[in-house]
Amino acid sequence: DIMMTQTPLSLSVTPGQPASISCKSSQSLLHSDGKTYLYWYLQKPGQSPHLLIYEVSSRFSGVPDRFSGSGSGTDFTLKISRVEAEDVGVYYCMQGIHLPRTFGQGTKVEIK
Amino acid sequence: EVQLVESGGGLVQPGGSLRLSCAASGFTVSSNYMSWVRQAPGKGLDWVSVIYSGGSTYYADSVKGRFTISRDNSKNTVSLQMNSLRAEDTAVYYCARGVTPQHWGQGTLVTVSS
Repeated sequence: DIMMTQTPLSLSVTPGQPASISCKSSQSLLHSDGKTYLYWYLQKPGQSPHLLIYEVSSRFSGVPDRFSGSGSGTDFTLKISRVEAEDVGVYYCMQGIHLPRTFGQGTKVEIK
Repeated sequence: EVQLVESGGGLVQPGGSLRLSCAASGFTVSSNYMSWVRQAPGKGLDWVSVIYSGGSTYYADSVKGRFTISRDNSKNTVSLQMNSLRAEDTAVYYCARGVTPQHWGQGTLVTVSS
């Protein structure tokens, strides 16, 4: 199975400041079709997870443009340009190239 | 609007069985890949199973041989039959659209305890 490792595991951010989460996979997520299958999810407190970013850098429907994804191969980053109070929760990366799908441990983001 | 509503969770003794159901609306289950993902209390996300539009199924090693995913096209539902349940199967079980989940249900809690 592909192992996904996130850092940091927790983050305390002042509103309006940027935040960054790293995700590393144990194998390349670059498929032979040229796409890289790395996804980001946010689980807000008491809610189900929801998709933020697909294929490294594409924002899912309705996701604010303060969220951006980057990276390639095995190293990826989720950035929030200016954190807002509604961004609190746990962020997960997930690989979508092989079964079983595997998630990172999660990064808990809270507001200072 | 895409909606997924899970049901069937509850308390079950170790070794027991439970059947979860997921009612979908806003799209056709038979034309989509459908997954189950679980989350143990206070823990992260753990992918469980998928059923492809063609009917193929796949399972995490931790549930293989004990869980069975299926769908009922007439009711537009997906189910997860869970047998030989263990304490470590205790979790909120989410139904999701896609093998890489795009839409998630609200989840249903399964507690395996004596």
